Amino acid sequence: GQNIDQPTEMTATEGAIVQINCTYQTSGFNGLFWYQQHAGEAPTFLSYNVLDGLEEKGRFSSFLSRSKGYSYLLLKELQMKDSASYLCAARTGAGSYQLTFGKGTKLSVIP
Amino acid sequence: EAGVAQSPRYKIIEKRQSVAFWCNPISGHATLYWYQQILGQGPKLLIQFQNNGVVDDSQLPKDRFSAERLKGVDSTLKIQPAKLEDSAVYLCASRQSFGNSPLHFGNGTRLTVT
Repeated sequence: GQNIDQPTEMTATEGAIVQINCTYQTSGFNGLFWYQQHAGEAPTFLSYNVLDGLEEKGRFSSFLSRSKGYSYLLLKELQMKDSASYLCAARTGAGSYQLTFGKGTKLSVIP
Repeated sequence: EAGVAQSPRYKIIEKRQSVAFWCNPISGHATLYWYQQILGQGPKLLIQFQNNGVVDDSQLPKDRFSAERLKGVDSTLKIQPAKLEDSAVYLCASRQSFGNSPLHFGNGTRLTVT
């Protein structure tokens, strides 16, 4: 079966740094995605890791350790607009390409 | 490029009624997905199409849910009859069928079953 765990909620201060962790146990693992979802809106793609290591994209970075079944999303210089849910998703099925999502982490950025 | 289009945006029905959702993917995207997202949870895959063929419908409750993508472009998802537990946001997503291109989601249809 597929199991993806991430914290339910987090709170951080504007201008600070926050790390959202994700652990996964999946069969046929083939990469890890992070999506951002504002309330009432569609999930939007943030990052993708298939190899171990850190991928940096502006204020957002994502890290993957395949041996540990672990990823994190790092958000720097937090802004109020970063208040959203962050979804961790494991890609499985090399042929069929499916994403299995975690329940999401609701991040609240406070002044 | 235009995004994934979905309609209606909201729908309220009574239990045992039927409902249909429509999705138009990004032009050129051969792969299309329907996800169900219950409040406070992550999206759960219902069905995946490659062009007009079904790749995976193992999590689709086939006694009440059906989906089609007859011409390999637009898709419809139907629920008949609806149950209270079907209240959720139904998200359509599409992607290009090569490499590690990400899924692009529509804004979804929020269904409330009373």
